[in-house]
Amino acid sequence: SAVISQKPSRDICQRGTSLTIQCQVDSQVTMMFWYRQQPGQSLTLIATANQGSEATYESGFVIDKFPISRPNLTFSTLTVSNMSPEDSSIYLCSVQTLAGEGDTQYFGPGTRLTVL
Amino acid sequence: LAKTTQPISMDSYEGQEVNITCSHNNIATNDYITWYQQFPSQGPRFIIQGYKTKVTNEVASLFIPADRKSSTLSLPRVSLSDTAVYYCLVGGSSGGYQKVTFGTGTKLQVIP
Repeated sequence: SAVISQKPSRDICQRGTSLTIQCQVDSQVTMMFWYRQQPGQSLTLIATANQGSEATYESGFVIDKFPISRPNLTFSTLTVSNMSPEDSSIYLCSVQTLAGEGDTQYFGPGTRLTVL
Repeated sequence: LAKTTQPISMDSYEGQEVNITCSHNNIATNDYITWYQQFPSQGPRFIIQGYKTKVTNEVASLFIPADRKSSTLSLPRVSLSDTAVYYCLVGGSSGGYQKVTFGTGTKLQVIP
């Protein structure tokens, strides 16, 4: 398993500003993922972050809006840029490791973002 | 990526066994079936994973028929603390890193 922490745990931001969310893992992992979970909804994958390469974004998400850094095998950041109230959501990072036979994802506690 | 279908919600009384079934008709040969549990204001938590037949751990059992087109998560003797959303996912074959897609999940409400 992996232990994941996120900072901040929550924040309230003004429209038009940006917020950077940090994700720290207690072990080295190849693949990290960023998800968004809107109130009462399931998780939606934003992007996959592989160390040493550009992040791969899912349909509907672009790098200008959600730039991601992955400087090493234990850390990643997601920035939510030029925020609007529609960006209010929980943002989660996860890592994928081999757990026995199949790949398994372990999730951080999430960052609850409210945009006014 | 295989799509999954689960009931949106289920209610159960404390002490009962709860079975949540997930359909995944397009599961690939190398796909595993993984279940996650999510409490409000927390990230999903891994519960159990299997490929075929039956898997049991200290928390739950996972039943997978021979055709693997469905799976059933069994929670024995649920308590109020088992109230959560349960997600069934398929994908993530061993040795290959694959993204997985979260479906709608099943919201389980345990009633005293």
